[in-house]
Parts: sequence; structure tokens; C-alpha cells
Amino acid sequence: EVQLVESGGGLVQPGRSLKLSCVASGFTFSNYGMNWIRQAPGKGLEWVAYISSGSSYIYYAETVKGRFTISRDNAKNTLYLQMTSLRSEDTALYYCARSGRGFDYWGQGVMVTVSS
Amino acid sequence: DVVMTQTPVSLSVSLGGQVSISCRSSQSLVHNNGNTYLSWYLQKPGQSPQLLIYKVSNRFSGISDRFSGSGSGTDFTLKISRVEPDDLGVYYCGQGTQYPPFTFGSGTKLEIK
Repeated sequence: EVQLVESGGGLVQPGRSLKLSCVASGFTFSNYGMNWIRQAPGKGLEWVAYISSGSSYIYYAETVKGRFTISRDNAKNTLYLQMTSLRSEDTALYYCARSGRGFDYWGQGVMVTVSS
Repeated sequence: DVVMTQTPVSLSVSLGGQVSISCRSSQSLVHNNGNTYLSWYLQKPGQSPQLLIYKVSNRFSGISDRFSGSGSGTDFTLKISRVEPDDLGVYYCGQGTQYPPFTFGSGTKLEIK
């Protein structure tokens, strides 16, 4: 069974940093591209970042480019999102999602709240 | 960026009925390789989104044949037949042809009468 489990969220002040993790199991993690997708409270889905299976290709949404860094450790089956210079508009539930046939598996999400 | 426009914003259906949700893209979603990377997702209340349909009309593993996708180019439709209580939630279309960024529609909320 494919499982994606996010962690690392919480309440953080504007301008500070936070690092999210997503541990994968039930599939060969190193064979798949991975994504972070977020959902602000009561809003729709916003894709944040993508990393290819071997980390050769990395893409970001313009709203986070230069502030967020996606990375992965295939030996640990773990996806990361380093978030810096956080803003109130980054407040959202952050999902990791596998790139397969579309975004075919999603984690349960981790909440990030940016507030003073 | 490819803008995805979903209609309607919300709809209400009786159990056993049928509904259609429209999704239009601002640019063709036909990839250079001939595939069209248009997917449909359902987010049930309090849950993570789940993939229903990929590449326009392919049902994902375990998805009921009550769900069907169709369309081409820039116009796509999700049909749900014999609506059941478990179908309620917000439906999103999403494109993976022209990226970055991957983009989603704004969602269609399905309510059961």
C-alpha cells in the first residue's frame, strides 16, 4: 500500500523558516517524481514544487521561487520542502503527492500557519 | 500559465442521478507526444484529494465505472452517473501538459439533495 506521511508543520512567525518532510512507503520512491501541493484554508489546490526521481529536474511556482527549496533523499525515501522568508499567504495545508498517472497518491497533509 | 476554468461552481443532485462538470483550459492540453494530461480529482470532506481520472478518460485504480471523463484539446467533461452519498465533495480538474506550473481548476462542489 502506497503511503505518504508529511510532518514538520506548525505555527511560525513571518520571515522565519520551516522544513517539511514526507516519508514514502509501499512503492519504489526513487522511480517517481514528487510534488508539494498546498491548500489555503477554504481555498483550492495550488501546486508548489516538483522534483524528478533523480533530482535532475526541479520546478517551482512563481509564488515560492527563491524562498522554497524542494529536495529528496532516495536512500531515506523522504521528500523535503525547506521554506524560508515565510509570509502570511503561505498559510496552508501542505500535501506531498506522487507524480504517476497524474498526482496519483497524496499524503494526509501538514498544516503550516504563518502568523505573529 | 494554463488557466483551468471549471463550471459550475457548485451543483446539487439527487441520489441515483447524473451530473456533468466542465473544465476548460486556456491552451490546448495536447502534449507533443500526443497525450493529453488532464486529470480529475475528488476531495471528500476532511480528506486529501484523490485521483479519479487521468489522461482525460482513464479511470485510476479502484475508481468506479460510474465516473467517466471525456473531451479533447481545451474542453473536458467529468460525468458521474448513479450518484451515491459518498460522491459528495469538491471536484478539481488539473493539467500536467504545460508545466511549470501544474495548474488546477477552482473546483466544483457536489452536494446531495
